[in-house]
Amino acid sequence: GQSLEQPSEVTAVEGAIVQINCTYQTSGFYGLSWYQQHDGGAPTFLSYNALDGLEETGRFSSFLSRSDSYGYLLLQELQMKDSASYFCAAEGRRALTFGSGTRLQVQP
Amino acid sequence: DGGITQSPKYLFRKEGQNVTLSCEQNLNHDAMYWYRQDPGQGLRLIYYSQIVNDFQKGDIAEGYSVSREKKESFPLTVTSAQKNPTAFYLCASSGSPGVGGYEQYFGPGTRLTVT
Repeated sequence: GQSLEQPSEVTAVEGAIVQINCTYQTSGFYGLSWYQQHDGGAPTFLSYNALDGLEETGRFSSFLSRSDSYGYLLLQELQMKDSASYFCAAEGRRALTFGSGTRLQVQP
Repeated sequence: DGGITQSPKYLFRKEGQNVTLSCEQNLNHDAMYWYRQDPGQGLRLIYYSQIVNDFQKGDIAEGYSVSREKKESFPLTVTSAQKNPTAFYLCASSGSPGVGGYEQYFGPGTRLTVT
């Protein structure tokens, strides 16, 4: 099976940078994905890392270290609309296993 | 416009009744998934299907059933055997089963309340 741990809540101010960490334990791991979910909405895909290193997509970047079973999502130039929950998800042999989510609150 | 539709958005049922949640996609995706989300929690996998006429149990399949008779459709039945069915149910699809980091596309969800 797989389990993922991420902080439950993070608060930051507009324009700042925030990092959301995710550690995973898995028996069969192919990669780590990140999803964003606004309150009452559906999750939307942000990024995927199969290899070690940093993937950058606009203001968002995601990092993976397979040897440390660790990844993070980096959000830069925070905007109010970034207030949402962020989930890491480990891709295993069957399907994705999601973490419990990190609620990001961006303050003015 | 391609996407995933789920209906209805809100559903109310009495305890002891079975209820079927609809999920349709026109993305031509092979793989489809059902997740359950409880308040403040992550998504837990109920069932998934990688191909028509085949499906697999996820982590919390007890009390649920599915069918996959068509590529486009993957309905979920919440049976009376499910002890705590009130939750937010999300359907998703992806372009290819198995590994590869394929993005999962989610429907808008159905919020089920059982009293």
